[in-house]
Amino acid sequence: GESVGLHLPTLSVQEGDNSIINCAYSNSASDYFIWYKQESGKGPQFIIDIRSNMDKRQGQRVTVLLNKTVKHLSLQIAATQPGDSAVYFCAESFSGGYNKLIFGAGTRLAVHP
Amino acid sequence: KAGVTQTPRYLIKTRGQQVTLSCSPISGHRSVSWYQQTPGQGLQFLFEYFSETQRNKGNFPGRFSGRQFSNSRSEMNVSTLELGDSALYLCASSSGTAQYGYTFGSGTRLTVV
Repeated sequence: GESVGLHLPTLSVQEGDNSIINCAYSNSASDYFIWYKQESGKGPQFIIDIRSNMDKRQGQRVTVLLNKTVKHLSLQIAATQPGDSAVYFCAESFSGGYNKLIFGAGTRLAVHP
Repeated sequence: KAGVTQTPRYLIKTRGQQVTLSCSPISGHRSVSWYQQTPGQGLQFLFEYFSETQRNKGNFPGRFSGRQFSNSRSEMNVSTLELGDSALYLCASSSGTAQYGYTFGSGTRLTVV
């Protein structure tokens, strides 16, 4: 397969803290990146995206940072809440590749009250 | 508006059988992509259909096939099932490329025994 499916790392945070989830992407030609949240029994849910001509994009309580030099993405969640507990995936795509997304392995976020 | 609908939600099949999964995209979306999700390999791209044509294909054996109908509904078929085909199969729909919005369904959980 094309996505790396390794042992899922877990990030444990206290409610109210800020969370940072990191992701390394594989293709230097990728020009569009998405963060998804997946809860148990559900499909991935869109959180935020960023195009390669940007370094940073902010949403509601979330910020995505893109470092093309080292092919790195991060997702920052402010004031993490118990409802944020889920598995988070980054995905990359190349505009010439139509709708093919390559997903990272995922990170499990556990929020403790 | 209605989201992406996948049926059935759960399936149990025997090794050697074949299976057909269905995906109804968001109204107006002409692109449907399929992904396989397993604990070991993560989320892997299977194929994408746009206006009844396969535009892209992942690295899966020929036992995995799909099609799209004129109403944009899509089916994927897996023949000669193997134990390793047990997975969550997800479909996602988009109006064009992933950069125009890519919405996942809740998936079909296939168990091969």
